[in-house]
Parts: sequence; structure tokens; C-alpha cells
Amino acid sequence: DIQMTQSPSSLSASVGDTVTITCRASQSISMYVNWYQQKPGKAPKLLIYAATILQSGVSSRFSGSGSGTDFTLTISSLLAEDFATYHCQQCYSTPPTFGGGTKVEI
Amino acid sequence: QITLKESGPTVVKPTQTLTLTCTFSGFSLISSGVGVGWIRQPPGKALEWLAFIYWDDDERYSPSLKSRLTITKDTSKDQVVLTMTNMDPVDTATYFCVHSRPYHSDGNGYYPFDYWGQGTLVTVSS
Repeated sequence: DIQMTQSPSSLSASVGDTVTITCRASQSISMYVNWYQQKPGKAPKLLIYAATILQSGVSSRFSGSGSGTDFTLTISSLLAEDFATYHCQQCYSTPPTFGGGTKVEI
Repeated sequence: QITLKESGPTVVKPTQTLTLTCTFSGFSLISSGVGVGWIRQPPGKALEWLAFIYWDDDERYSPSLKSRLTITKDTSKDQVVLTMTNMDPVDTATYFCVHSRPYHSDGNGYYPFDYWGQGTLVTVSS
């Protein structure tokens, strides 16, 4: 299985900040990475697929970059509603695997 | 509008078999490329992909759980059913039903999980 290592596991930020979350794959996976946002007690929500493509309806404050083994999710101008846990996921090979999650706290 | 909803027991005893049903609407599981499957999340832990079934009856399973899982579909009822045998307390988790389809970019097909059910918490306890 491909391992996805996310960092940091948690971070503190303020409204208006820009934050960056990183995800490293255990082998090259081209751009087969997706990012999700999950709020407490809710299902994850797809934010970005194919490493850089914003899912329809998602705010442009979210952006993704990277290819190969290293990927980043950037959230600019943090809003209160952005405080949540973020997950990366590879869809390069079966089984799809997720990172451990990054909790963005106030 | 695509929706998925999980149903099944909230508590099962160790060694029992868990059966979860996903009832969906807004799409057809006979449409090319479409898949429906299951992902779980133990309390406070990471997401874990379990199994998927596709429009062409292709079934995929987590290698570490394959011996315990079976996924089936009933296109006449718009349902997907997951069975997991020999349940253990470590299987306590929220189980999500998810939808996937190919998104094409630069000639490649990507399969994100674009719609999720609300999830159902299953507790394994005697």
C-alpha cells in the first residue's frame, strides 16, 4: 500500500492567516492526490482533486500543488468556517489511502 | 442531486457479521465509470478505505480486510450492501458510503470520492 504522510498533525492559526498543509507519498503518484475537509461529526467534503483542480463550488481560497511524492494544500485568508480537519488521499493505486489528517484550530 | 444514506445496526457483538446498506439517489450505478463503496473512520483516527463496486460489477477490496468483506449491488433498488464478518472491537468506527466517478484532466482519469453519506457509527461490544 502507498503510505501518505501528512504534516503537521495539527496547527493553530487565526482568521485571515494563510496556512499550508503538506502530504508526502511513499512512492511517486504523479498528480493522483485529492484533498478533503472534515468538520466534527460530519462526512468529509471533496475540495481538490488531481492535486490542483478545485472541485465545483469550493472557494478559491483553497489551492493545491505538487506532483510525484510531495503535495501541498494552501488555505488563504482563513475564515472561521475553515477550522476543520483536512485529509489527503491518493488514488494512484488500490487500495486508496489517506493521510493521518491535519487539524486546523483557532 | 446525489445523496447516499447508510443504514444498519449501531451495535454488534464480537464475532458477529455486520451488514450495512447504502441507499442512494441522483445517479445510476449502471452509468459508465461510476462506483459506490465504503470508507470507515475509527473515533479520532484516520479514514480507511474498505471496498468498492463499479458499474461493470468490478469489485475491489482492501487487501488487509479482503477475507472478511463482501460488497454487492442491487441496481433495481439503488442499493449497495457491505458485509463484514467476524467483527471485533477494533472495528468500531463510523462507516461512510461514498460515490466516485472519473474526473478527466490532461488525458488521465481521477477517481475522487465526491459524494459521501452522513455516516453511521457502529460499535462492537459484548
